[in-house]
Amino acid sequence: EPEVTQTPSHQVTQMGQEVILRCVPISNHLYFYWYRQILGQKVEFLVSFYNNEISEKSEIFDDQFSVERPDGSNFTLKIRSTKLEDSAMYFCASRWGMTGFEKLFFGSGTQLSVL
Amino acid sequence: LAKTTQPISMDSYEGQEVNITCSHNNIATNDYITWYQQFPSQGPRFIIQGYKTKVTNEVASLFIPADRKSSTLSLPRVSLSDTAVYYCLVELKAAGNKLTFGGGTRVLVKP
Repeated sequence: EPEVTQTPSHQVTQMGQEVILRCVPISNHLYFYWYRQILGQKVEFLVSFYNNEISEKSEIFDDQFSVERPDGSNFTLKIRSTKLEDSAMYFCASRWGMTGFEKLFFGSGTQLSVL
Repeated sequence: LAKTTQPISMDSYEGQEVNITCSHNNIATNDYITWYQQFPSQGPRFIIQGYKTKVTNEVASLFIPADRKSSTLSLPRVSLSDTAVYYCLVELKAAGNKLTFGGGTRVLVKP
């Protein structure tokens, strides 16, 4: 089965530093997502991206966050100035279409630890 | 926005059938019901999807009554490796391109 690939698997950073989390979605997919999951809590939607622009974002996705698809294969999430509360597992996901029957494929996540 | 409601947790034993019911009272005509499974430290994984009646695949069955206000995920003869969190999702056209996960049901399979 095709896979969504995320790098790095673990990222440790100091508070206030910028981090970039990277994802390679499945090649023919058109819709891209970032989710996060704080330890022991539910999976939270951050942002969706289609046609080189953000289509939806949550209240969590404030000005500290940005997403980009710099080339035909990568999809990145940037956190400009990390806070302690940004520590979480970040999942990238993609799917071919937006209709209800198009399933999401998730990557294995990047565990971000902000010290 | 419609909301899904499912039990927080369920315990079972190896070899038993596990049934998880999800309520989605405000489901719209064009919405599909999708279930995902998440193991610790992994991303959610699609397991089954349906629109009405019954759907079965190699992993699970999904039962949806005629009014579609609920659905039941059935895991036959669970093993220890089925211990996971199971999420029921209903995608709403009105919500746009946003797929929201609820709290899920934590299933613990005991030997």
